[in-house]
Amino acid sequence: EVQLVESGGGLVQPGESLRLSCAASGFLFRTYWMSWVRQTPREGLEWVANIKEDGSDKYYVDSVKGRFTISRDNTKNSLFLQMNSLRVEDTAIYYCARAPRLTTPFTFDLWGQGTLVTVSS
Amino acid sequence: EIVLTQSPGTLSLSPGERATLSCRASQSVRSTYLAWYQQKPGQSPRLLIYGTSSRATGVPDRFSGSGSGTDFTLTISRLEPEDFAMYYCQHYGNSLFTFGPGTQVDIK
Repeated sequence: EVQLVESGGGLVQPGESLRLSCAASGFLFRTYWMSWVRQTPREGLEWVANIKEDGSDKYYVDSVKGRFTISRDNTKNSLFLQMNSLRVEDTAIYYCARAPRLTTPFTFDLWGQGTLVTVSS
Repeated sequence: EIVLTQSPGTLSLSPGERATLSCRASQSVRSTYLAWYQQKPGQSPRLLIYGTSSRATGVPDRFSGSGSGTDFTLTISRLEPEDFAMYYCQHYGNSLFTFGPGTQVDIK
């Protein structure tokens, strides 16, 4: 089955760190750009970061630059998001999403179920 | 940075009616880079339309997309009960992705 499964969310205090993981299965992971997208009731959907197939290029939304790092391990079909210096406004559901360049370019064609990150004192 | 605005915020319609959702960009964008998603409560977003007017795999043909420049439209020709949901437009440009705030399609 083609799927993405996130893990690693939880409750942390402001300033703390958290590492999210996403396990991919059912498709050739190493041939796809991958992204993290987050969602809050107030802000809606917000793209956070994406990473090229081989990990050589990475892009971030301005609000997380310098604090979050996206990475991947193609040998383990896994995507990661290291989140440091977390802020209350980072509270959201974080989705792992596939970002194809060929079939449906510049979109997110496969999403995980999401993992909730809550930053609160 | 391109900002996407969606209207209306909420659309209240009955099954069988036609739904017309608008997405406006703060500056002209390439049609290739405009997409639409559907999201139901408790679910992840689902890709509906890419490249302004191409339907994603498995999307019924009652969903159609159109537009150019700064104005784009998602049309649902005849609403089915399962179509009542939130809809987001999305743009890609300069290696960044942005989403609109969404339109909620409710049952009238």
